Amino acid sequence: QVQLQESGPGLVQPSQTLSLTCTVSGGSINTAGYYWSWIRQHPGKGLEWIGFIYFSGSTYYNPSLQSRVTISIDTSENQFSLKLSSVTAADTAVYFCARDWGTGHWFDPWGQGTLVTVSS
Amino acid sequence: EVVLTQSPGTLSLSPGERATLSCRASQSVGSSYLAWYQQKPGQAPRLLIFGASSRATGIPDRFSGSGSGTDFTLTISRLEPEDFAVYYCQQYGSSSWTFGQGTKVEIK
Repeated sequence: QVQLQESGPGLVQPSQTLSLTCTVSGGSINTAGYYWSWIRQHPGKGLEWIGFIYFSGSTYYNPSLQSRVTISIDTSENQFSLKLSSVTAADTAVYFCARDWGTGHWFDPWGQGTLVTVSS
Repeated sequence: EVVLTQSPGTLSLSPGERATLSCRASQSVGSSYLAWYQQKPGQAPRLLIFGASSRATGIPDRFSGSGSGTDFTLTISRLEPEDFAVYYCQQYGSSSWTFGQGTKVEIK
């Protein structure tokens, strides 16, 4: 079965760029019909969709974050990555990667999540 | 952007009782595009229901989803101890993915 695992620094300084990678195992990222997504959850809060990338490299981002977000894909490594620039304390959150089923755009499975704290 | 409003915010029930969770959308949502998730502390959300009423793989049949348009419901027929958690609805529409704010089901 497909599993996802996030990795990256847990602490980022304000104004810097947050960088995370999601490694997909148990299946190929190079598969039509799935959208590889990033979602975040502020501490004690709800869930916010950040964006996705398709295996072809096409991307779509949450308009509220679009100016600061870049999602890329490395099909040879079966990974996709998130970069969020000019971070502030408001970007402190648990970041999840997840597979979006294009037929209905639900998310399954999810990675376990990684807490990123923005602080000097 | 479609806003999803979940109610109640907290549901206090005993094991064995029935839980009824509501998710109301600010505009009509296609039934294919409504999902429910369960999240326990320190864990990622787990898909329960997709397409408004289809159970995900491995989800017990005490979980059921229903509804259409702007009103959707998640029902847990008989609460088991492991069901006490936070539940989120999520929709896709007009190139926008949004989640409700969550309903916490707690032990009474």
